[in-house]
Amino acid sequence: GAVVSQHPSWVICKSGTSVKIECRSLDFQATTMFWYRQFPKQSLMLMATSNEGSKATYEQGVEKDKFLINHASLTLSTLTVTSAHPEDSSFYICSARDRLAGGLETQYFGPGTRLLVL
Amino acid sequence: GEDVEQSLFLSVREGDSSVINCTYTDSSSTYLYWYKQEPGAGLQLLTYIFSNMDMKQDQRLTVLLNKKDKHLSLRIADTQTGDSAIYFCAEKGSGYGGATNKLIFGTGTLLAVQP
Repeated sequence: GAVVSQHPSWVICKSGTSVKIECRSLDFQATTMFWYRQFPKQSLMLMATSNEGSKATYEQGVEKDKFLINHASLTLSTLTVTSAHPEDSSFYICSARDRLAGGLETQYFGPGTRLLVL
Repeated sequence: GEDVEQSLFLSVREGDSSVINCTYTDSSSTYLYWYKQEPGAGLQLLTYIFSNMDMKQDQRLTVLLNKKDKHLSLRIADTQTGDSAIYFCAEKGSGYGGATNKLIFGTGTLLAVQP
């Protein structure tokens, strides 16, 4: 099946620094990638939809200047958490959309990046 | 708006069958999915069902869909300790008539399999 990787798998940073997370589709081209955030014991919350070559679409309540998304190629999207604060500590998961046989679209998820801001 | 609900926990003994339930509100759902999340990992697609189907079987997994009641279930036969994980159902709307075409996830059900 389709494989999506994320890097790094975890990161610890100081408050005020910026952190970049990479999401790659390894064996397929993804025109659309999604960024989710998951808090402990909660479901995934969609943060933004990233389309290759255009600006990301952010969900209501997500600050686009704080969570910078770049989707420069069909296999790579990056999420940069700028000026991170402890409340940004979370599990960030990306997914990439693939079109299966018969027109079914589904998303393949990366393993997630655990961010801890001290 | 769209809402997907699941019970938070399910505990079964190894070898028994597990049934994880999910209810949703979006009547325009086209596809419904089951994902598995193991500790510290991302989501793994287990199976999916198209909205005009009632049942889909894939090895130990059986998905039942009651579209009238907007109820989806995942049955795992002969549950093993390696099946312990959080199971998320998700629905994808048609995108027509103002309905979303994004994936909407339930809160996840933690399946605990006791030896």
